[in-house]
Amino acid sequence: GAVVSQHPSWVICKSGTSVKIECRSLDFQATTMFWYRQFPKQSLMLMATSNEGSKATYEQGVEKDKFLINHASLTLSTLTVTSAHPEDSSFYICSARGAPGYFGPGTRLTVL
Amino acid sequence: AQSVTQLGSHVSVSEGALVLLRCNYSSSVPPYLFWYVQYPNQGLQLLLKYTSAATLVKGINGFEAEFKKSETSFHLTKPSAHMSDAAEYFCAVSPAKANFGNEKLTFGTGTRLTIIP
Repeated sequence: GAVVSQHPSWVICKSGTSVKIECRSLDFQATTMFWYRQFPKQSLMLMATSNEGSKATYEQGVEKDKFLINHASLTLSTLTVTSAHPEDSSFYICSARGAPGYFGPGTRLTVL
Repeated sequence: AQSVTQLGSHVSVSEGALVLLRCNYSSSVPPYLFWYVQYPNQGLQLLLKYTSAATLVKGINGFEAEFKKSETSFHLTKPSAHMSDAAEYFCAVSPAKANFGNEKLTFGTGTRLTIIP
């Protein structure tokens, strides 16, 4: 069945650095992917919609310059957290349109 | 606009007892509804989904849910709880579409299910 993968599964970085998270659709083409974030013991909140070959659509309150999304191919979307700060520490999860219910395993980001 | 409300952030049941996790939705258009399970430090696993076909939906691991439009509910049940069911459960809604319906999902706040031995 359809599978969505994420890399890395966890990352620790220093404040001020940038971190890139990859979301891949392994056996299907995903023209649209979604990025969510989940704070500890909280629900998932949609951050942005990633569209292959075009600009991402960000939800209200999400800084597009801080969370850079690139969807360069039909199987890969990347989320780059720029100039990360401790408040960006969270669990980031992606999903793919066209594969209902399929989420990546998540990436836990810890910013020191 | 769409939203889901999960009643009860924590639910505890004895092993072998009925599991009932409540979810009520609000949607301005016909909804698709989902239940997911999340184990610690893991992603989401789809348990079941309602996509305007049968109102009683059977999912994995013995779970099922019934869509009740009159009550705007989509409660999750399992006849007999197992220790491995201990996890966080999320209800989610998206607008019904002609395609797969995996549009922007709006999640509930989650219910942590604890199983008492």
